[in-house]
Amino acid sequence: GESVGLHLPTLSVQEGDNSIINCAYSNSASDYFIWYKQESGKGPQFIIDIRSNMDKRQGQRVTVLLNKTVKHLSLQIAATQPGDSAVYFCAEQDAGGTSYGKLTFGQGTILTVHP
Amino acid sequence: ETGVTQSPTHLIKTRGQQVTLRCSSQSGHNTVSWYQQALGQGPQFIFQYYREEENGRGNFPPRFSGLQFPNYSSELNVNALELDDSALYLCASSFDRGQFGEQYFGPGTRLTVT
Repeated sequence: GESVGLHLPTLSVQEGDNSIINCAYSNSASDYFIWYKQESGKGPQFIIDIRSNMDKRQGQRVTVLLNKTVKHLSLQIAATQPGDSAVYFCAEQDAGGTSYGKLTFGQGTILTVHP
Repeated sequence: ETGVTQSPTHLIKTRGQQVTLRCSSQSGHNTVSWYQQALGQGPQFIFQYYREEENGRGNFPPRFSGLQFPNYSSELNVNALELDDSALYLCASSFDRGQFGEQYFGPGTRLTVT
């Protein structure tokens, strides 16, 4: 069945470093991908998205890379700050193949930023 | 803040009881999706409501049901509660089924079943 998984469950970095969070997906029909940040006691917060016709998309301090050949997604955070500490989820959607916007989430990576 | 609200914040129920959770969608959105997030896991899709009708369902039994009202707010009902139903229940608000579009999550309702 379809699934989205992460290579590393935890990531610890120093403030100011760049962070890279990785994600593997198995549904080759997925055509839309999203990264969410979830802080303790809150719901997931949208960070950045990318469609399958793109390889890279940049936002403010964040970049998402998509490699469809190996079904791999990554989130790069530049100049990581303590406020970036949270759980990060990748999610995928077979938006073109279904009539509803179901998101399939991975297990999550805990990012800890040390001052 | 996303503008999506959920109530109650926390809830404790006993096995076999029934529970109703509520979600108010963001202004301008006509779609609400419900997710269950067990501790240490990613959210799992329960179902989606679009224009007051169920528009898709995940692998959850029929005792999970829902409603969407004309103002696009939504309810999640769970009957015959089981211990494994203990989780954070999230609703996500979006426009036109949330395909290729941002889904805004509420803060969730923490349900504990004893």
